Amino acid sequence: DIQMTQSPSSLSASVGDRVTITCRASQSIFSHLNWYQQKPGKAPNLLIYAASNLQSGVPSRFSASGSGTDFTLTISSLQPEDFATYYCQQSYSTPWTFGQGTKVEIK
Amino acid sequence: EVQLVESGGGLVQPGGSLRLSCVASGFTFSKFAMSWVRLAPGKGLECVSTITGGVGSTNYADSVKGRFTISRDNSKSTLYLQMNSLRAEDTAVYYCARRETGSGSYFFDYWGQGTLVTVSS
Repeated sequence: DIQMTQSPSSLSASVGDRVTITCRASQSIFSHLNWYQQKPGKAPNLLIYAASNLQSGVPSRFSASGSGTDFTLTISSLQPEDFATYYCQQSYSTPWTFGQGTKVEIK
Repeated sequence: EVQLVESGGGLVQPGGSLRLSCVASGFTFSKFAMSWVRLAPGKGLECVSTITGGVGSTNYADSVKGRFTISRDNSKSTLYLQMNSLRAEDTAVYYCARRETGSGSYFFDYWGQGTLVTVSS
């Protein structure tokens, strides 16, 4: 199985901060990488698909890049509603696997 | 509007069985692959099983292989997960999710609200 490793596991940030989360795959997954946001008690919400494509309806402060094994998710200016857990997920080969999550907390 | 509504969760003893259901609406169910994804307490997301929309090919995570069975009834727009020989480590919120394609890749674009499965004596 392809292992997905996110860093950091958690971070504290203030409203308005620029936040970057990284995700590393144990082997090349080309651009088959997706990002989700999950808030407590809610279902995950797709933010980015195929490494850099913003899902419809997602604010433009979210962006992502990368290919091969290394990927990043950036929030350009953190908003109060962005405090959540973020997951990367590879869809290159089954079983699809997720990173362990990055919890973004209020500083 | 796309909607996915899960049901069937609950408390079950170790070794027991449960069947989860996910009723879909707002799209042509038969055309989409569907998955079950779970979130265990203190852990990350895990894709448990996927079934394609056409011939209904299936795959499973190693952690549930041989114990869980995914199926679908396209006439009822319903996805199922039969869970047998349940273990404490199967305790989780189970989500159904729709698999979509775009830019040459796959992703989960719609999710249900989740149903809680608790395995405990």
